[in-house]
Amino acid sequence: EAGVAQSPRYKIIEKRQSVAFWCNPISGHATLYWYQQILGQGPKLLIQFQNNGVVDDSQLPKDRFSAERLKGVDSTLKIQPAKLEDSAVYLCASSLVLRDEQFFGPGTRLTVL
Amino acid sequence: KQEVTQIPAALSVPEGENLVLNCSFTDSAIYNLQWFRQDPGKGLTSLLLIQSSQREQTSGRLNASLDKSSGRSTLYIAASQPGDSATYLCAVFSGSARQLTFGSGTQLTVLP
Repeated sequence: EAGVAQSPRYKIIEKRQSVAFWCNPISGHATLYWYQQILGQGPKLLIQFQNNGVVDDSQLPKDRFSAERLKGVDSTLKIQPAKLEDSAVYLCASSLVLRDEQFFGPGTRLTVL
Repeated sequence: KQEVTQIPAALSVPEGENLVLNCSFTDSAIYNLQWFRQDPGKGLTSLLLIQSSQREQTSGRLNASLDKSSGRSTLYIAASQPGDSATYLCAVFSGSARQLTFGSGTQLTVLP
């Protein structure tokens, strides 16, 4: 069974530029999550989807971050404009249903200069 | 607000030793608790999931216990190996928050 796929693996941008990350969850998983992990900390939830609807986006900085999950499968997370403090690893995870075991992708390491 | 604490932040042991990693959480109203492993520059690998009604789960050399009433979980690793070196993260799925809340992890080094 294929795992959670993410791309790109690494991205370096200048501050105020925009960037997008892509995630393909495990086939059949209804719930998809985006996390931000700053060095030395545990992941922090940004947004979670159930199929193509948003369950929780309370910790998403909506002035600069946006996410969508069209057709309830793939998802895209966008940052526009990026700030220095956005430098982190962005992790995508999926689970069969909400509250079920979560499986993570390899992450995208973002560096904002 | 759920808070998860992991102690110690770092641990170094000689190969072959049995060890225990600790996790505590402030809100005992949880659905489940999950232990993950994270290798440098990699994503998280799920190790064990314990439902709130369970007391422990075992997988190979790993055993995780849960005491929901006291807000604690432990991950026991038997006969540690250098390949066990990684950061171990504990996370709880809280009813009130409806999300997974992570600790900061314990960085384990097993010396050959």
